[in-house]
Amino acid sequence: DVKVTQSSRYLVKRTGEKVFLECVQDMDHENMFWYRQDPGLGLRLIYFSYDVKMKEKGDIPEGYSVSREKKERFSLILESASTNQTSMYLCASSPKGLAYLEQFFGPGTRLTVL
Amino acid sequence: QKEVEQDPGPLSVPEGAIVSLNCTYSNSAFQYFMWYRQYSRKGPELLMYTYSSGNKEDGRFTAQVDKSSKYISLFIRDSQPSDSATYLCAMSGGSNYKLTFGKGTLLTVNP
Repeated sequence: DVKVTQSSRYLVKRTGEKVFLECVQDMDHENMFWYRQDPGLGLRLIYFSYDVKMKEKGDIPEGYSVSREKKERFSLILESASTNQTSMYLCASSPKGLAYLEQFFGPGTRLTVL
Repeated sequence: QKEVEQDPGPLSVPEGAIVSLNCTYSNSAFQYFMWYRQYSRKGPELLMYTYSSGNKEDGRFTAQVDKSSKYISLFIRDSQPSDSATYLCAMSGGSNYKLTFGKGTLLTVNP
């Protein structure tokens, strides 16, 4: 059974803290993505990576960075968390080629920044 | 104008009803059109996708694309309570890895 796992389902952090969200996939996929999902705003792409050590900005990269040192792992970093980063964070992966149309999502991490 | 527009609902129907979900888009470069389903407290999962204009059927689900009107639809026949979820349309131009999602429509099918 294919799987994308995220390190935490719920996370509460303080303003100014550095926050790490981890994502691991076991499908040997080339592409990995970080989204945030907010009511009324839908899914918005933060960053994606199409290969190890490669990354591209999505639609809302400000305040975030990413790291992909291994193919199966993609980390999202909030350098200095702020209250407007309270959200549901979803990680996804997809294979290369036309199969990229099917993204496999993790269960999400609900982050609250106080 | 946003690239993809989707009515967020919520939409509530009785069991057995035919459901119509829709999205409009503005980017003519989109060629691949997808519907994802997201159950509560889960990540989205791909339901079906179509390429360019036309229809595609998979069991009780039918996806339609009208590129001339920049309008896509998902029809659910004989809707079941297990269809209760948020349905997100997604689109891609095919030249990179990126999908552009609609905001999602929350559907509830009442027994």
